Amino acid sequence: EAGVAQSPRYKIIEKRQSVAFWCNPISGHATLYWYQQILGQGPKLLIQFQNNGVVDDSQLPKDRFSAERLKGVDSTLKIQPAKLEDSAVYLCASSLGKGMSTEAFFGQGTRLTVV
Amino acid sequence: GDSVTQMEGPVTLSEEAFLTINCTYTATGYPSLFWYVQYPGEGLQLLLKATKADDKGSNKGFEATYRKETTSFHLEKGSVQVSDSAVYFCALSGPGYSSASKIIFGSGTRLSIRP
Repeated sequence: EAGVAQSPRYKIIEKRQSVAFWCNPISGHATLYWYQQILGQGPKLLIQFQNNGVVDDSQLPKDRFSAERLKGVDSTLKIQPAKLEDSAVYLCASSLGKGMSTEAFFGQGTRLTVV
Repeated sequence: GDSVTQMEGPVTLSEEAFLTINCTYTATGYPSLFWYVQYPGEGLQLLLKATKADDKGSNKGFEATYRKETTSFHLEKGSVQVSDSAVYFCALSGPGYSSASKIIFGSGTRLSIRP
């Protein structure tokens, strides 16, 4: 079974530029998560989708971050404009979305460096 | 809000030593509890989980017991190996309603095992 795919693996941009990350979840998984993991910290949830609807985006900095999940499958996360403090690993995860004990499967992440 | 507090790292042990990584949580209701592991250069993966009080999760020689009375989920292993060197994250998933719940992570504990 294919896992969660993310691209690119690495990205270096200058501050004030824009960047987009892509995620393809495991087939059949209704729930998709985007997390931000700053070096030395635990992952922080940015946004959670159930199919193509947003369940939780309370910690998404909406003035610069946006995310969509068209057709309830793939998802993109965009940052525009980027700031130095956005340097982090961006993790995508998916789960079946049925009940609270369902395991979430994580992709390898995209490491973003803003210079 | 819900939160997870785990033992500060890094933790360095000799091979075959006993390991404990402490984790406590704050949550409304009855969350599910998880330990995730991140090996060098790899994505987050589920190590073990427990979904109700007094449940014991186990995998690869690691164990953790869901203690409601002390709101804890400490990770233990009787004899660690060099291959256990990784970052360990304690996490919880709150009561789900119509969709999968978000997963809240602790800050992570880096474990290094000396041969």
